[in-house]
Amino acid sequence: SAVISQKPSRDICQRGTSLTIQCQVDSQVTMMFWYRQQPGQSLTLIATANQGSEATYESGFVIDKFPISRPNLTFSTLTVSNMSPEDSSIYLCSVGASNQPQHFGDGTRLSIL
Amino acid sequence: QKEVEQDPGPLSVPEGAIVSLNCTYSNSAFQYFMWYRQYSRKGPELLMYTYSSGNKEDGRFTAQVDKSSKYISLFIRDSQPSDSATYLCAMSAWSNTGKLIFGQGTTLQVKP
Repeated sequence: SAVISQKPSRDICQRGTSLTIQCQVDSQVTMMFWYRQQPGQSLTLIATANQGSEATYESGFVIDKFPISRPNLTFSTLTVSNMSPEDSSIYLCSVGASNQPQHFGDGTRLSIL
Repeated sequence: QKEVEQDPGPLSVPEGAIVSLNCTYSNSAFQYFMWYRQYSRKGPELLMYTYSSGNKEDGRFTAQVDKSSKYISLFIRDSQPSDSATYLCAMSAWSNTGKLIFGQGTTLQVKP
């Protein structure tokens, strides 16, 4: 399966700031996704990162808060904007192809003070 | 009601025990079923992947899907301390969105 690298692995940020998380894959992939895993909770899909077009967001997530880029088939970024303590979470990148299971990176552990 | 329900545990068993982890779901459109294992401070790692109903075995792990009951299980035989982790079930209707719906995860501890 593809090797997925996320940066940073963790960060502590101030309220009101923004952080961009990078996801790099060692091979070209069709689909890239961004998930959130809040403390003690399961994974929730934020959006699908589409190469060459705007990301597709799930209900409850908006582009102004979580802008996503996907400039090519191996790289994507997720920005968490204007952060508040409620954004403290693990953010995970995953990759997949049609009718194939997704594989995940190790995530970015984000704490907001 | 959540689309996928999973007992969060924690579940504690002695080494060598057979472990049974379960999820129920409400959406009859789900046809792809996965189990992921997540160690502390790591991302979810795919363990088992099944399509539709039936059983699938891989070493000490067996996944079962009963679509008529909307119920899936993961069995771990001869459990080891290294199996201590959180186990997440996930499922999908596998439309073009590729969206996965996850259970809450069950935390398992295998004691030596």
